[in-house]
Amino acid sequence: DAGITQSPRHKVTETGTPVTLRCHQTENHRYMYWYRQDPGHGLRLIHYSYGVKDTDKGEVSDGYSVSRSKTEDFLLTLESATSSQTSVYFCAISEIVGTFNTEAFFGQGTRLTVV
Amino acid sequence: AQSVTQPDIHITVSEGASLELRCNYSYGATPYLFWYVQSPGQGLQLLLKYFSGDTLVQGIKGFEAEFKRSQSSFNLRKPSVHWSDAAEYFCAVVPPTGAGSYQLTFGKGTKLSVIP
Repeated sequence: DAGITQSPRHKVTETGTPVTLRCHQTENHRYMYWYRQDPGHGLRLIHYSYGVKDTDKGEVSDGYSVSRSKTEDFLLTLESATSSQTSVYFCAISEIVGTFNTEAFFGQGTRLTVV
Repeated sequence: AQSVTQPDIHITVSEGASLELRCNYSYGATPYLFWYVQSPGQGLQLLLKYFSGDTLVQGIKGFEAEFKRSQSSFNLRKPSVHWSDAAEYFCAVVPPTGAGSYQLTFGKGTKLSVIP
């Protein structure tokens, strides 16, 4: 299994509070991603990173920010959590080998509940 | 924009029966294609992938998928389903950009139930 650790695995927080989720990898992969999974929507990309301090928005980035100060860590921050951000969050990593993108490897997920 | 359609939200099959899960994509060029499986409370595991070449792809756990360019489809099959195959299955695509960011677009998933 790819070395991806998400923390925390479960969190309950109150509306309006800031929340930070952490993704840590030991594979030295260049690309890291945050997805959210909601019933009936599959997985949707929030933000991704293509290198240290290089990040970009995905499909559902409103209300989220990210940071990547080291290759191995990718942080997702909800500045002011809302109930609509209750979801399961997955981190993923991938790498370019030659001219091919390899498959993405996923973490175990973080279940976030905003009350 | 690229999109992935999995027409079946939920499929129930008997153990030992054959299985086919459908996936259609909408994209100008042939994307890279993937099937992932997710067991309850778990992350996603790659079953198989198609980049180019032979259109019949073998994966783990006895699964295979066939790419059909004319139908923009990448259907997942298994000849004999086991109770442990009960899970949710996701089809995903990535544009064939080679180098560059790698943004998976997922279908909404098909939940598979297996009757003993």
